[in-house]
Amino acid sequence: EVQLLESGGGLVQPGGSLRLSCAASGISFGAYAMGWVRQAPGKGLEWVAAISISGDSGYFADSVQGRFTISRDNSKNTLYLQINGLRAGDTAVYYCAKVGASRYCNGDSCYFHFDYWGQGTLVTVSS
Amino acid sequence: QSALTQPASVSGSPGQSITISCTGTSSDVGVYNSVSWYQQHPGKAPKLIIYDVSYRPSGVSNRFSGSKSGNTASLTISGLQAEDESDYYCSSYTSSNTLVFGGGTKLTVL
Repeated sequence: EVQLLESGGGLVQPGGSLRLSCAASGISFGAYAMGWVRQAPGKGLEWVAAISISGDSGYFADSVQGRFTISRDNSKNTLYLQINGLRAGDTAVYYCAKVGASRYCNGDSCYFHFDYWGQGTLVTVSS
Repeated sequence: QSALTQPASVSGSPGQSITISCTGTSSDVGVYNSVSWYQQHPGKAPKLIIYDVSYRPSGVSNRFSGSKSGNTASLTISGLQAEDESDYYCSSYTSSNTLVFGGGTKLTVL
């Protein structure tokens, strides 16, 4: 059974930093690209970032570019999201998700869709 | 990158069919066969129900189907059931190497 377990969320002041983690089990973690998606309270889904299978390439939404860093440790089956310069608008549940195989894209940096999701970790930015 | 456009809400009676549209541009939906659909019940994580425009993951009911024409993708749910009442989101890869979601559609089963 595939399990993605996020941790690291919490209450942080504006301008602060957090490091989110996502521990994966039940999959060959090092064989898949991974990503993060967030959902502000009462709002829709927003793609945040994705990372290639090798970890060499990270991709970011314009809204977080320059403030967020995505990384992975394939030896620990763990995905990370470093969040700096937090703003009130970053308040959301952050979901870790595994990229699914696509018929139309293959390679190290494909991320067309997410087939498994964690339960999310809540990040609240407030003074 | 602007969000894909979905209707805020749709409704239908049990047994009926409904269709949810997802309109993008020639930089996302129109150019990539990457449209996916997610079902999200309140307080739960999203669940993938359609990927690559029209393919269902293993275990997803064949009452769910997807299609695309030009810059607009569609999700059809046939034989509506009470358990289908949920929020639905579309997503597409974009020419900017990003992913974009739709604003979400709340499905009410009357």
